[in-house]
Order: sequence, then structure tokens, then C-alpha cells
Amino acid sequence: EPEVTQTPSHQVTQMGQEVILRCVPISNHLYFYWYRQILGQKVEFLVSFYNNEISEKSEIFDDQFSVERPDGSNFTLKIRSTKLEDSAMYFCASSEGQGTGHEQYFGPGTRLTVT
Amino acid sequence: LAKTTQPISMDSYEGQEVNITCSHNNIATNDYITWYQQFPSQGPRFIIQGYKTKVTNEVASLFIPADRKSSTLSLPRVSLSDTAVYYCLLNQAGTALIFGKGTTLSVSS
Repeated sequence: EPEVTQTPSHQVTQMGQEVILRCVPISNHLYFYWYRQILGQKVEFLVSFYNNEISEKSEIFDDQFSVERPDGSNFTLKIRSTKLEDSAMYFCASSEGQGTGHEQYFGPGTRLTVT
Repeated sequence: LAKTTQPISMDSYEGQEVNITCSHNNIATNDYITWYQQFPSQGPRFIIQGYKTKVTNEVASLFIPADRKSSTLSLPRVSLSDTAVYYCLLNQAGTALIFGKGTTLSVSS
């Protein structure tokens, strides 16, 4: 069964450093998303991406964040200068986006720890 | 702001059927009702999705009345491994999922 994959599974970085989180969505999916979940809190939407551009973003997704689809398979989230409060699980998701099959499938997540 | 309301927690025993009801009074015409399951430190896992009436798959059933203002996720004969958080969400193609706190289901032996 196709699945979303994410790397790395755990990333530790120092405050102020740049990090890039990587995702490989399901191959025939057209919509891509990033969510995050701070420990003990709700899953929060960050950004959605369709047709090589951001289609929707939340207030969390400020200028420190960017997304890119550098090739036909990867989808990345970059945090330019990490803060302590960026520590969270980051989940990538993808969906077909057409007809009734537009449920979003989530990856296993990257645990980001900012020290 | 979450558009759905569901119980914060439920308790059950192994082998019982569990029904989790979700209310979504302001559901839009284009909204699909989708349920996810999440275990600690894992990504939400898609369980089932429906638009109206009843949907069944190998894991669960989803009951949606004609007015679509509520839905019920039914898990037949739960086991200890079904202990998780269950989220009821409304979504349309390509739009953000707005997660609430979900329902924490605890299954005991």
C-alpha cells in the first residue's frame, strides 16, 4: 500500500539554525500539506501546496517557513531560523484532491527538537 | 476553530462495540465527514470517510443521517490496540484539516 514517507525521523538543532524536513508524498497525489503537533497539543495546519504553489497557509506559517517541491517526488519544509517553540512533531500529508478520494494521508512525522 | 464537536473521552472493554458521535451543525454542502485515528507520537491515520448514509470498510462503519448534522463512527469489537485518539473532521478537496482535541478512547481488558 502506498504511503507518505518522511525524513529524518528525529532532528535536533540549535536555536537560530536552519532545518529542512523532507517528505515523499504518495506518487499520484496532487495536494501536499504540512501540519505540526506540539507535545500534548492539537494537530495544527501549516500550509497546503498545489500545482507548485501555496494554496493555503495558517498564521503559524510566517516568513521563517517555506515549502518547496524541488523535483517530482520530494516536498520539503524549511524553517529558516529555528526557535525553541518550533519544537514539535511535523507531519506531511498528501491527497488526490479529486472526486471523493481526497482524504489526506499522513506520514509518520519528524520530531524536531530545538535546543 | 474546530467545526465539529465530539466527546473528550470514552471508556470501553475489549470485545465491545464502540460508537463515537460527532456533531457538525454547520456542515457545508461540499464537506465530507472524515475520521482519523492517532496513536502517541504517530501521524493521524485515515479510518473512514463519507458524505451521507452509511459507509463501511474493514475497520469501521460510519453512519450519517439525512440532515448530515451529525455522524457516528462505529468500531466493532474493540481491542486494547484500539486505544487511541479519534478525530472527526470535515474536509473538502485540497483544504486544510482543522483538528480539535478528538475523543480519547481507552479500551481495557
